[in-house]
Amino acid sequence: NAGVTQTPKFRILKIGQSMTLQCTQDMNHNYMYWYRQDPGMGLKLIYYSVGAGITDKGEVPNGYNVSRSTTEDFPLRLELAAPSQTSVYFCASTPGGPYYTFGSGTRLTVV
Amino acid sequence: GQQLNQSPQSMFIQEGEDVSMNCTSSSIFNTWLWYKQDPGEGPVLLIALYKAGELTSNGRLTAQFGITRKDSFLNISASIPSDVGIYFCAGQPAAGGTSYGKLTFGQGTILTVHP
Repeated sequence: NAGVTQTPKFRILKIGQSMTLQCTQDMNHNYMYWYRQDPGMGLKLIYYSVGAGITDKGEVPNGYNVSRSTTEDFPLRLELAAPSQTSVYFCASTPGGPYYTFGSGTRLTVV
Repeated sequence: GQQLNQSPQSMFIQEGEDVSMNCTSSSIFNTWLWYKQDPGEGPVLLIALYKAGELTSNGRLTAQFGITRKDSFLNISASIPSDVGIYFCAGQPAAGGTSYGKLTFGQGTILTVHP
């Protein structure tokens, strides 16, 4: 079982560039989440999805977009990268309730 | 939004010492959880608490759900070098609706254990 797989692990972007952070889970979980982790700030929820075709904003959605066309995939899109988006991004999933399975993260630097 | 205040922010201890950390909130949570994050990895669930006053152990780890439902504590006894990492508390609001499954995380406690 692969669990939650995130790609890429590391990425450097120039200001204004775009990219998609990929997240795939093979556990048939309905609920999926994107968090960003900044030093000393914990994990902040960007977007979440309660099932295929359904997404909603979290606490810090500005500058990001998501889609959920299948149960397995929940990509996070950055359209115009800004230095404030330098962070570590984590994708997580759960069948329901608090038992999150996290991916190993994507470390993004915007220069 | 809801916020969790976790303390201390960091701890430097000797191997064998006990560790205590806590998390407080201005809001009530129905579930409290404690996660550990190893360097370069995502957080992993350690303990989940579901009832006010509940005390739960997982090996050398013990966690408690505060009576007021606004706080939680994690203790690690007889620390070892592999306890190094970042520990996060997290709270879950009441089940149902769009809140279901969403967690609010504390800022994390960075634990360093000297051999």
